Amino acid sequence: DIQMTQSPASLSASLGETVTIECRTSEDIFTYLAWYQQKPGNSPQLLISDASSLADGVPSRFSGSGSDTHFSLKINSLQSEDVASYFCQQYNNYPWTFGGGTKLDLK
Amino acid sequence: EVQLVESGGGLVQPGRSLKLSCLASGFTFSYSGMNWIRQAPGKGLEWVASISGSSSYIYYADTVKGRFTISRDNAKNTLYLQMTSLRSEDTALYYCARRGQLASDWYFDFWGPGTMVTVSS
Repeated sequence: DIQMTQSPASLSASLGETVTIECRTSEDIFTYLAWYQQKPGNSPQLLISDASSLADGVPSRFSGSGSDTHFSLKINSLQSEDVASYFCQQYNNYPWTFGGGTKLDLK
Repeated sequence: EVQLVESGGGLVQPGRSLKLSCLASGFTFSYSGMNWIRQAPGKGLEWVASISGSSSYIYYADTVKGRFTISRDNAKNTLYLQMTSLRSEDTALYYCARRGQLASDWYFDFWGPGTMVTVSS
């Protein structure tokens, strides 16, 4: 199975700040990586697919980058509604696996 | 609008069975691959099972293989997960999720609110 390592596990940031979350995979997954946002008490929502393609309705302050084994999710100009947990997921190989998550809150 | 609504969760004793359902609307269900993904309390996400639109392809996580069965009824727009020989480690919120629409799109573009399964004596 492909192992997913997300960092940091938790993060505190100020409104307006730029935040970066990283995801590393144990094997080359090309760009078959998705990012999800899970707000407290809610189900996950797709943010980004194919490492950098924003899902419909996702604000442009979110962006994804990377390929092979190293990926990043960047949030520009952090807003209060971005307080959530973020998960990466690889879909290059079955079984589909998720990172452990990054919990983002406000400083 | 795509909607997925899970049901069937509850408290069940170890070793017993439970069947989850997911009613889908707002898209052509029979064309879409569907999945079950679970999240133990306070933990991360774990993919459980997948089924293609025509039920031709079915995949399971090793942790549930031989105990869980995924199925679907396209006439009823409903996805199922039959769970047997339940263990305490199966305690989780179970989400139904649609996969992306292209053949290579094994990400999950819509999720239901989930149904809670608690395995305890």
